[in-house]
Amino acid sequence: DQQVKQNSPSLSVQEGRISILNCDYTNSMFDYFLWYKKYPAEGPTFLISISSIKDKNEDGRFTVFLNKSAKHLSLHIVPSQPGDSAVYFCAASAGGSNYKLTFGKGTLLTVNP
Amino acid sequence: NAGVTQTPKFRVLKTGQSMTLLCAQDMNHEYMYWYRQDPGMGLRLIHYSVGEGTTAKGEVPDGYNVSRLKKQNFLLGLESAAPSQTSVYFCASSDPGINQPQHFGDGTRLSIL
Repeated sequence: DQQVKQNSPSLSVQEGRISILNCDYTNSMFDYFLWYKKYPAEGPTFLISISSIKDKNEDGRFTVFLNKSAKHLSLHIVPSQPGDSAVYFCAASAGGSNYKLTFGKGTLLTVNP
Repeated sequence: NAGVTQTPKFRVLKTGQSMTLLCAQDMNHEYMYWYRQDPGMGLRLIHYSVGEGTTAKGEVPDGYNVSRLKKQNFLLGLESAAPSQTSVYFCASSDPGINQPQHFGDGTRLSIL
């Protein structure tokens, strides 16, 4: 039973446009959410996070939105750049801890020049 | 600044052989983790450690053992390798606390024939 779902395996956008990556979760105990970015042959790198007490967190071109009632979060990248092309993983944890993360399957983002 | 270093990067084993994967971090992090990633899947937690001398089971611990004799090192052992353990293995480390993201190594690609 997958508790963190990224239903879009891939997404393609034009350079300069907005990229929106979506993530749904089923476990109501999750209270901390993260996005990781992964290039081929490298480990995931932390991108941005959000606590369940917030509904938005922004860091430069990256913004994460959290809708607790819908158990849904999204990552917005504006403007998208070719270097953003990577696999993006959504992850969640429960109980105020940062360990025992549950990851989604990832979404491959391709930004076309 | 090495961060999290995994050794080896690639390995091919025969069924029944044993091996140890080494993870070393130079960030003085308390927590360390081992994940596996299979095609089309997110990362799944194998074992983790919240401090030197401690270990705990994650989501998929069967067939693996771990040890954390030194704070900076976390070893993952396969006593009798099976083809189902063919995967990419990632090590990560973090500080305690809700806002402390996990930092990942670049992975070990393990094939078991």
